[in-house]
Amino acid sequence: EADIYQTPRYLVIGTGKKITLECSQTMGHDKMYWYQQDPGMELHLIHYSYGVNSTEKGDLSSESTVSRIRTEHFPLTLESARPSHTSQYLCASSTSRAGANVLTFGAGSRLTVL
Amino acid sequence: LAKTTQPISMDSYEGQEVNITCSHNNIATNDYITWYQQFPSQGPRFIIQGYKTKVTNEVASLFIPADRKSSTLSLPRVSLSDTAVYYCLVGDIWTTSGTYKYIFGTGTRLKVLA
Repeated sequence: EADIYQTPRYLVIGTGKKITLECSQTMGHDKMYWYQQDPGMELHLIHYSYGVNSTEKGDLSSESTVSRIRTEHFPLTLESARPSHTSQYLCASSTSRAGANVLTFGAGSRLTVL
Repeated sequence: LAKTTQPISMDSYEGQEVNITCSHNNIATNDYITWYQQFPSQGPRFIIQGYKTKVTNEVASLFIPADRKSSTLSLPRVSLSDTAVYYCLVGDIWTTSGTYKYIFGTGTRLKVLA
């Protein structure tokens, strides 16, 4: 059972459209992440947040932006979608606890830009 | 940054034990070792985590030698449904702004044959 939810699961959209991928978690985790993954390829971290009003870019440059106004919500926005943005976007969260952290992932949002 | 190295792919037959080794020569004193499993079109799922020696849960075992420069994920009696990509992650990357970010490597693509 998922405690982190992503919508939409699948989205097909035309070039130039603005899109927002939603990610919500009910676990009260302070840290949240966005990864981008092409089919059969590795995950690339594109954004992360360690709390409300704090966001940072990941290791893979992305034209997307994120916001963290509420602890449970971490949406990703593309102002003008392009075919190069076609990919799967995975949201994850984690919490701080003694010793180690474990990531919990959502089911992903598969974006296709025509 | 504790870089990890895993075999790109492995094949096994149903009912066999599978061992996947991960090298992490630069592991830091406070780093934990975490393994994730990912099925196609899904987000990675936590399998097991350890710090030293041996850890066992209902799905896998994790063996960590005394020097902690490597770890081995052991899957007993695999089935077709264990066909997936397995990722080894080491530690948390503490950034200058005081956050954690998790970097995934290429993972090991396990194929279980009938």
